[in-house]
Amino acid sequence: QVQLVESGGGVVQPGRSLRLSCAASGFTFSSYAMHWVRQGPGKGLEWVAVISYDGSIKYYADSVKGRFTISRDNSKNTLFLQMNSLRPEDTAVYYCARGYCTNGVCFTFDYWGQGTLVTVSS
Amino acid sequence: QSALTQPASVSGSPGQSITISCTGTSSDVGSYNLVSWYQQHPGKAPKLMIYEVTKRPSGVSNRFSGSKSGNTASLTISGLQAEDEADYYCCSYAGSNTYVLFGGGTKLTVL
Repeated sequence: QVQLVESGGGVVQPGRSLRLSCAASGFTFSSYAMHWVRQGPGKGLEWVAVISYDGSIKYYADSVKGRFTISRDNSKNTLFLQMNSLRPEDTAVYYCARGYCTNGVCFTFDYWGQGTLVTVSS
Repeated sequence: QSALTQPASVSGSPGQSITISCTGTSSDVGSYNLVSWYQQHPGKAPKLMIYEVTKRPSGVSNRFSGSKSGNTASLTISGLQAEDEADYYCCSYAGSNTYVLFGGGTKLTVL
């Protein structure tokens, strides 16, 4: 069965960096686009970034563009999110999600991990 | 672009039907049949319930159905059950600049 397991969250000071990981299993990881979606405390869902199946295409939400970098290692079935210049408003549970594609558009999220909490605070 | 608009809360009694609306614009919901709906229980990850406006993933009860008219999508849950009590989020593809938008979420209470 499809499993996505995030790790790497924690408490970090504003302006510092953090790297999240998402270990995938139960499917052919290298065939799927992958996303990061976050949820602030008591708030709704916010899409963060997507990476194509081969890592060649990456898109970001305006709120994280230039600060966050999504990447993947298909040999290790792992997705990453490098978060730099963190701000208090980046505090959230970060979920990795598998992208389901329709006519080449892969913005349906068919499987989600359990999430990892990132807290940005001094 | 702003988030899609959902009611903050809806409620219904067991066995009844409820509908949650999701209003966007002609740039997102109105332009693409790429609306999806997610169920989230407290402290849990979201779960895909409806995709491509009307389709149900394998394993999702046929009590859940989706539709769209113009810039508004809807999720209907029939034969309400206690386990349906959760937050529900709509989501729409929004083109190659914004990419994807979520609604603010609707809390469903089963009375």
